[in-house]
Amino acid sequence: GAGVSQTPSNKVTEKGKYVELRCDPISGHTALYWYRQSLGQGPEFLIYFQGTGAADDSGLPNDRFFAVRPEGSVSTLKIQRTERGDSAVYLCASSSAGLAGAGANVLTFGAGSRLTVL
Amino acid sequence: GEDVEQSLFLSVREGDSSVINCTYTDSSSTYLYWYKQEPGAGLQLLTYIFSNMDMKQDQRLTVLLNKKDKHLSLRIADTQTGDSAIYFCAVGNSGNTPLVFGKGTRLSVIA
Repeated sequence: GAGVSQTPSNKVTEKGKYVELRCDPISGHTALYWYRQSLGQGPEFLIYFQGTGAADDSGLPNDRFFAVRPEGSVSTLKIQRTERGDSAVYLCASSSAGLAGAGANVLTFGAGSRLTVL
Repeated sequence: GEDVEQSLFLSVREGDSSVINCTYTDSSSTYLYWYKQEPGAGLQLLTYIFSNMDMKQDQRLTVLLNKKDKHLSLRIADTQTGDSAIYFCAVGNSGNTPLVFGKGTRLSVIA
């Protein structure tokens, strides 16, 4: 697609529920990133994929968070047993940078999915 | 790990220059970026600089890098009301390793 698409744009859920957030990256971008942005904060890295595999998941806060990218394109971020502290905007970005490529890593971001846990 | 710091707020009059500052801790960072975020929107890349450069100019934007002090700045000439947004500094390395972002500087432009 022309840009990075994220759905839903807004999600309100109750504490303890399961949530899935979807990201459709730019066609052909092999690297895909999930960031979380809390109110008044900068984007905080969660996980990134090179192709289908998670190259670095060190930013996932705990085992309630999981992400997949089974075909190397669309990715889903899954949050189990949501807590109020999970409320944030979840940002997805993609880039064409290779694993050990030279040059800048230019990330193109989607508009984000705003998650509110009541 | 890498730590990126920015002042939180900046207010300028329309037509004046804005200077947004950023410091970082990892001297091995090879690329440094400036992103802009308008309300309700995702982050938009404005410009970036490679660590072997001191300055990069792109129309109204000038990026200055002091690698010794690990200090990066973004100057916006002739600031307009449409420049009101949050500006994020980010640093990273070659390849597809993730960028580390600062908390952002909210720029308010007064007409």
